[in-house]
Amino acid sequence: GAVVSQHPSRVICKSGTSVKIECRSLDFQATTMFWYRQFPKQSLMLMATSNEGSKATYEQGVEKDKFLINHASLTLSTLTVTSAHPEDSSFYICSARDLARGYGYTFGSGTRLTVV
Amino acid sequence: DQQVKQNSPSLSVQEGRISILNCDYTNSMFDYFLWYKKYPAEGPTFLISISSIKDKNEDGRFTVFLNKSAKHLSLHIVPSQPGDSAVYFCAANTGTASKLTFGTGTRLQVTL
Repeated sequence: GAVVSQHPSRVICKSGTSVKIECRSLDFQATTMFWYRQFPKQSLMLMATSNEGSKATYEQGVEKDKFLINHASLTLSTLTVTSAHPEDSSFYICSARDLARGYGYTFGSGTRLTVV
Repeated sequence: DQQVKQNSPSLSVQEGRISILNCDYTNSMFDYFLWYKKYPAEGPTFLISISSIKDKNEDGRFTVFLNKSAKHLSLHIVPSQPGDSAVYFCAANTGTASKLTFGTGTRLQVTL
């Protein structure tokens, strides 16, 4: 089946630094990838839709300059949290859809970000 | 504005019995619905889906029912197993390639 690899699974960084999270589709090409954020015991909130070769579409309330998304190839999208603050600490998850396999979104395993 | 709601944050069911997880939505444009299972610190795993042209879809122990007039769907798991213990999210979208809107999740605990 379709596999999405997300890296790193866990990262701790200092306030003010930037962190990059990678999301790769391993056995399929994903023209569109999605980035979600989940706070403890809450739902997955869509942050942005990442389209290969074009600018990401951000959801209302998500700071574009803070959460930089790049989708340079059909198999890789990255989310960079810039100038991280403790309130950015959260669980970030990416997902991709393989149109060739029909309807179904495959999710990465998530990244736990802790900003200290 | 929470367009997809799961009003029961938790549910406890005995092993072997039926688990019924409910989901309500407000956006009448939603035409595809999915259920995901999620363990802590992991990404969601797809379970089953249903198109708005159907009212039932079954896959093994999992059955999803859709009541469009009530804007309600439910996931039935029977028989429930301890390994089913997880958080279950329903999700919905419009069209064939658009973003998913997730519900708030229901934590299912299957007891021995």
